[in-house]
Amino acid sequence: ELKVEQNPLFLSMQEGKNYTIYCDYSTTSDRLYWYRQDPGKSLESLFVLLSNGAVKQEGRLMASLDTKARLSTLHITAAVHDLSATYFCAVDEEGAQKLVFGQGTRLTINP
Amino acid sequence: DADVTQTPRNRITKTGKRIMLECSQTKGHDRMYWYRQDPGLGLRLIYYSFDVKDINKGEISDGYSVSRQAQAKFSLSLESAIPNQTALYFCATSDQFSGNTIYFGEGSWLTVV
Repeated sequence: ELKVEQNPLFLSMQEGKNYTIYCDYSTTSDRLYWYRQDPGKSLESLFVLLSNGAVKQEGRLMASLDTKARLSTLHITAAVHDLSATYFCAVDEEGAQKLVFGQGTRLTINP
Repeated sequence: DADVTQTPRNRITKTGKRIMLECSQTKGHDRMYWYRQDPGLGLRLIYYSFDVKDINKGEISDGYSVSRQAQAKFSLSLESAIPNQTALYFCATSDQFSGNTIYFGEGSWLTVV
């Protein structure tokens, strides 16, 4: 059974700082997704990582995938308040676009 | 208009009642999914369908049923709602040509009292 673990689950940080969210998963997969969710809202797709060594960047967010270590990271550079949200990673089980989600990381960025 | 539309967006129902959540999409995708989100947790897959004649159980299908009425429509039913089915429900769509992106609806808040 595929398990996806994120850490930390809660993160409070100051504007301007850098931090990384980690996503570990338990079985072989080469497809990993990162989503953002604002309170009570839908999920916004951030990144889709499709191969070992994949790295994608959008603004202050950068995601990477190491399929051998079964690890993905979401790095936040020079955080700003607007990035406050809950971030989920999800792994594609069996390559069928059936996602198994991590618990989410609730990120709060303080001025 | 949203590409993936869910109705109702909010519903309060009583224990034992039947409730249906509907999802329609305008993206022309063949794959549709129903997920459930509990407070403070990630999403869990209830059912999925890869085309009109294909229905598959997900991780937490007990207590739920689905119907794929057309390529664009996928509904989720709770035959006899119970309080621990109180959650936020999301419909999602994708296909092999969507660049691997999975699109989520706005969500349906269901409260069972």
